[in-house]
Amino acid sequence: DQQVKQNSPSLSVQEGRISILNCDYTNSMFDYFLWYKKYPAEGPTFLISISSIKDKNEDGRFTVFLNKSAKHLSLHIVPSQPGDSAVYFCAAIPNTNAGKSTFGDGTTLTVKP
Amino acid sequence: NAGVTQTPKFRVLKTGQSMTLLCAQDMNHEYMYWYRQDPGMGLRLIHYSVGEGTTAKGEVPDGYNVSRLKKQNFLLGLESAAPSQTSVYFCASSYSVPGQEQPQHFGDGTRLSIL
Repeated sequence: DQQVKQNSPSLSVQEGRISILNCDYTNSMFDYFLWYKKYPAEGPTFLISISSIKDKNEDGRFTVFLNKSAKHLSLHIVPSQPGDSAVYFCAAIPNTNAGKSTFGDGTTLTVKP
Repeated sequence: NAGVTQTPKFRVLKTGQSMTLLCAQDMNHEYMYWYRQDPGMGLRLIHYSVGEGTTAKGEVPDGYNVSRLKKQNFLLGLESAAPSQTSVYFCASSYSVPGQEQPQHFGDGTRLSIL
């Protein structure tokens, strides 16, 4: 049973528009949620996170929203830039095992100039 | 600032051969992890370590062994390579700070092919 799901394998948006990447989870014991960004032939890099006690966290062009009742989080990128084209992974950390993350399968974002 | 370094970057093995993947981090992180990523899938945890001398099984540990003899190094071994172990392997490390999110820092991966 996959505990963290990213149901959209790919997303294509126009430069300057908003990109919205979605993630659903099933385990109510997750305490923290993180987004990572991955370019080809590189390792994932941390992008932004949110604690389960918050519903929004913003960092520049990136905002993560958490809806605990729906067990859903989303990453908003505004405005989208061609350099944002990458694979985005959602990850969740349970409060019982700090550091051990469960990852979604990723969404490939393509931002067209 | 090297961060997390994985050696080698690429390797081709024959079925039944053994090899060791090396991961080194210079950030004094307590936790270290080994993942595999298969096409179209996310990162699956193979083994992890919460400190020097400790190891634990992750989601997909079969066919792999690990050792953490020094805090900065985490080794992943394949005793008898199988084609199903063809994958990209990522090592990661993180701090252990109870009550806070702990982003992991990743190496650039080792692409392993088993023929």
